[in-house]
Amino acid sequence: KAGVTQTPRYLIKTRGQQVTLSCSPISGHRSVSWYQQTPGQGLQFLFEYFSETQRNKGNFPGRFSGRQFSNSRSEMNVSTLELGDSALYLCASSFSGGVQETQYFGPGTRLLVL
Amino acid sequence: ELKVEQNPLFLSMQEGKNYTIYCNYSTTSDRLYWYRQDPGKSLESLFVLLSNGAVKQEGRLMASLDTKARLSTLHITAAVHDLSATYFCAVDRGYGGATNKLIFGTGTLLAVQP
Repeated sequence: KAGVTQTPRYLIKTRGQQVTLSCSPISGHRSVSWYQQTPGQGLQFLFEYFSETQRNKGNFPGRFSGRQFSNSRSEMNVSTLELGDSALYLCASSFSGGVQETQYFGPGTRLLVL
Repeated sequence: ELKVEQNPLFLSMQEGKNYTIYCNYSTTSDRLYWYRQDPGKSLESLFVLLSNGAVKQEGRLMASLDTKARLSTLHITAAVHDLSATYFCAVDRGYGGATNKLIFGTGTLLAVQP
């Protein structure tokens, strides 16, 4: 079974630009969560989607948004990039987000904002 | 607001020795997860602990959960170099029965020296 895939793996942008990251969950998984990892703030939850609906949201500004498609693939978008958005963005999938389920993480997209 | 603290932040140990990583969290939760991250890589699920008193073991790693003390431990037995990585604990704070909103600890960087 293929794992969680994320594209692109690396990205360089400049301040003010916007970026879209993509995540394809494990086949059959319907829940996709996004996390930001930085040296200063650690791993922080961005949002979670299930059946095309945002079910949970973290404490990030509105510049961070996401969506999920009918095939469970998810995208996150960051508009008006700031230097502090440089991070590793990880997505994770699970079957339905149930309490006994493990989240499987993708390899991440490393974003550098110049 | 839920806070998850790990200690120590950095652990240098010799091969063959035993040690414990501690994970404290500030509000009630019955769901705690341990992950491993190798440098430049994504997160790998180690354990899912779902109830008070839960204990799980895999190889040289054993995790336990005490929900009353809001404490989880990850015990390393007879460490080997391959265990060198960063270990994260995470508590689930999803709402409405849904999960997948993980609040991560700061991580413990484990370096096992020959």
